[in-house]
Amino acid sequence: DAGVTQSPTHLIKTRGQQVTLRCSPKSGHDTVSWYQQALGQGPQFIFQYYEEEERQRGNFPDRFSGHQFPNYSSELNVNALLLGDSALYLCASSSRETQYFGPGTRLLVL
Amino acid sequence: QKEVEQNSGPLSVPEGAIASLNCTYSDRGSQSFFWYRQYSGKSPELIMSIYSNGDKEDGRFTAQLNKASQYVSLLIRDSQPSDSATYLCAGPLFSGGYNKLIFGAGTRLAVHP
Repeated sequence: DAGVTQSPTHLIKTRGQQVTLRCSPKSGHDTVSWYQQALGQGPQFIFQYYEEEERQRGNFPDRFSGHQFPNYSSELNVNALLLGDSALYLCASSSRETQYFGPGTRLLVL
Repeated sequence: QKEVEQNSGPLSVPEGAIASLNCTYSDRGSQSFFWYRQYSGKSPELIMSIYSNGDKEDGRFTAQLNKASQYVSLLIRDSQPSDSATYLCAGPLFSGGYNKLIFGAGTRLAVHP
């Protein structure tokens, strides 16, 4: 049984660029949540997708957007990248309350 | 007040000792809590969930929940150097009809031989 997968594992971008991160949930899970984790901090909730709709959103600007596909996989898009967007981006999948994390995508913005 | 608070540590314990990690939360309606372990450079890994008052044991780990005091803890018995990691406490915050998971900043645990 494959766990949560994310791609790419690492990414380097420059300020102003756009980035797309991808996530495939665990088999049987229909909900995907995205988090941003800065160094030394806990994960910060970005948003959650269920049935292809954004169900919850944290305190992140509209530059952060997402999508969920019919197969429950999900994308996180960040536009107009800022230096402060450098972080580990985590995807978590769930079918109820318990969330399981993927390996994360480490984004560096130069 | 932050929604989920943890002491950032580091908490240093000798090998074989009991490590005690603590977490407080502000949402009195929270019904469930989760402890994740995160090794440096890796993603969080779920180690315990607890839904009701009292203790829940799983191997060397015991989670304790006290809803009246809005307090949740994790005890690690017979601590091993491989337990050295950051431990994240997370609880749900009900908003807009759904729960979102709120994490503390994590407590760094160092187990020394």
